[in-house]
Amino acid sequence: GENVEQHPSTLSVQEGDSAVIKCTYSDSASNYFPWYKQELGKRPQLIIDIRSNVGEKKDQRIAVTLNKTAKHFSLHITETQPEDSAVYFCASHGGSQGNLIFGKGTKLSVKP
Amino acid sequence: DAMVIQNPRYQVTQFGKPVTLSCSQTLNHNVMYWYQQKSSQAPKLLFHYYDKDFNNEADTPDNFQSRRPNTSFCFLDIRSPGLGDAAMYLCATSRLRTSGTERDTQYFGPGTRLTVL
Repeated sequence: GENVEQHPSTLSVQEGDSAVIKCTYSDSASNYFPWYKQELGKRPQLIIDIRSNVGEKKDQRIAVTLNKTAKHFSLHITETQPEDSAVYFCASHGGSQGNLIFGKGTKLSVKP
Repeated sequence: DAMVIQNPRYQVTQFGKPVTLSCSQTLNHNVMYWYQQKSSQAPKLLFHYYDKDFNNEADTPDNFQSRRPNTSFCFLDIRSPGLGDAAMYLCATSRLRTSGTERDTQYFGPGTRLTVL
C-alpha cells in the first residue's frame, strides 16, 4: 500500500530563517497532497495543499512544490516566526487505498 | 461558525467501561472519518463512512465501533476501553470524491482527549 516518508522529524530554525520539510510517496496514482499544521493539544489544520496537475503553489510565506516524476513534495516556510512552531504533517491521497496517508510529522521549533 | 464539532472535548473513563464519543458537522459532507492520535504520532485512521457505507481499516480493533445515524452525526463507541486506548480521537469530514476543485480536503474537529483510569 501507499507509504509516505517525511523528513526531518525535528527541525529547529532561527526566527526569520526558512524551513523546508520533505515528503516522498510510493503510489504513483496519488493525486492530492495536503499539509497540516498541528499545535500542541489542537486539531490538525490544513495550511496548504497541491494537486497533481500543478508543480508549485504559494500562499504568502508558505509554498509547496511537487515533483511527480520523483514522487516527492516539499513544504517551504519563509521568514519563519515563533508562531510557526508546531508539528507539520504531510499527506498523500487518491492512490489505490483512497484515503489520506500521513507522514510521521515534523516538529518545527522557531527560536526568537 | 464551527464546522466539525466534537463532544465531549475531554472524556475520562474507567478501564473496561464503555464510552461514546460524538461528532457533528455543518458542512453537509458525505464522508466522515474517525482517527486515533497518540502523543507525537500521526493520526491513525480507524474507519470512515461514505454516506452510510461503513469502511473499517484492517487493523482497527473490534473494540472500536461506529454509528452514523444521519449525514450530520457520527459516533465512536469503545466497548471496553483499555489503557492503550488513551489518546486524542479526531473526527474529520470531506466531500464524496467527484470532479471539482474541493474534493478530498479533510476538515478536522477539535478532538476528544480520552483518559482511561
